[in-house]
Amino acid sequence: EAGVAQSPRYKIIEKRQSVAFWCNPISGHATLYWYQQILGQGPKLLIQFQNNGVVDDSQLPKDRFSAERLKGVDSTLKIQPAKLEDSAVYLCASSLGLQETQYFGPGTRLLVL
Amino acid sequence: AQKVTQAQTEISVVGKEDVTLDCVYETRDTTYYLFWYKQPPSGELVFLIRRNSFDEQNEISGRYSWNFQKSTSSFNFTITASQVVDSAVYFCALSEARGAQKLVFGQGTRLTINP
Repeated sequence: EAGVAQSPRYKIIEKRQSVAFWCNPISGHATLYWYQQILGQGPKLLIQFQNNGVVDDSQLPKDRFSAERLKGVDSTLKIQPAKLEDSAVYLCASSLGLQETQYFGPGTRLLVL
Repeated sequence: AQKVTQAQTEISVVGKEDVTLDCVYETRDTTYYLFWYKQPPSGELVFLIRRNSFDEQNEISGRYSWNFQKSTSSFNFTITASQVVDSAVYFCALSEARGAQKLVFGQGTRLTINP
């Protein structure tokens, strides 16, 4: 069974530029999560989807971050405009449902210069 | 508010030694889940175990074992006869057992197994 897929794996941009990350969850998983992991810290949840609806986006900086999961499968996370402090690994995870175990993708490593 | 503390930032041992990674948590929920994930250098978080707060039985899986002590709010992880492949960052995490399963992670423990 294929795992969670993410692209790109690495991205380098300058501050104030825009960037987008893509995630394809495990087939059949209804719940999708985006986490931000700053170097030396544990992952922090940014947004959680159940099918194509948002369950929790309380920690998403909505002035610059946006995410969507239009057809309830793939998801895109966007940052516009990027700041230096956005340099981090962005992890996507999926689970069968709200109370099921989360499985993570390889992450996208973002460096903002 | 929920909180997970992994006091050991880094641990370094020689292969074949046993090593225990500590995890202490705080929550006001009476039902919750506890997790351990492994993050090797490739960056992907690998799921190791999930424990329900009602189940205090210790668990063993090969060289891995977990000790859940509700009285001390701890969920420690022991690797027996450590190997170089065990080198990684290990995260303990907590989530409520109702509604959206929002994982709260500890800071992680970097484990290095030297040959």
